[in-house]
Amino acid sequence: DGGITQSPKYLFRKEGQNVTLSCEQNLNHDAMYWYRQDPGQGLRLIYYSQIVNDFQKGDIAEGYSVSREKKESFPLTVTSAQKNPTAFYLCASSIGFQPQHFGDGTRLSIL
Amino acid sequence: AQTVTQSQPEMSVQEAETVTLSCTYDTSENNYYLFWYKQPPSRQMILVIRQEAYKQQNATENRFSVNFQKAAKSFSLKISDSQLGDTAMYFCAFRNPASGGSNYKLTFGKGTLLTVNP
Repeated sequence: DGGITQSPKYLFRKEGQNVTLSCEQNLNHDAMYWYRQDPGQGLRLIYYSQIVNDFQKGDIAEGYSVSREKKESFPLTVTSAQKNPTAFYLCASSIGFQPQHFGDGTRLSIL
Repeated sequence: AQTVTQSQPEMSVQEAETVTLSCTYDTSENNYYLFWYKQPPSRQMILVIRQEAYKQQNATENRFSVNFQKAAKSFSLKISDSQLGDTAMYFCAFRNPASGGSNYKLTFGKGTLLTVNP
């Protein structure tokens, strides 16, 4: 079955450490997205990518970085510059006018 | 910039009854899409229903229907014959297709936590 796979499900970060969240899709979707979800905040867009080797900042990009070297993959790196990284992170993808499909998410916590 | 407002942080309903979740949005665009997503305790985001702004007819998906009032910029979700499995966080989302290409960013409301009681 086609879908979006996010890994790991749970991730812990030490102070000053960069961590990378994986997002892989086999839906042949062009666009991919990263959202951050905090309690009472809904989902906020971090980065998005329309095509390979191209991506744009969303509403809360500071402290995060991404790459899009392959159509299927859109990893998110949470850098040490992100001072409050504890949150639930959701990856999504879409094609054309179709709705976005979401992965199951990664919960990131600080040690 | 578009904004989406869900004014009910929490709601509850008895099993088999009907409940309506509210959503308002602000945009100067004429052509756009609206969505309701459901997020159960598993945290998976599931599309419930969608509405194209150019369609006057309200969308319906089984027990789920919307009341789309374009002039009022209102997009409420009605759940009929509520079931225990409907317990979830519900998010209203706006998408402006004029963003270009295949990149259609979503703007989400803060969500309404719905609890269905037995």
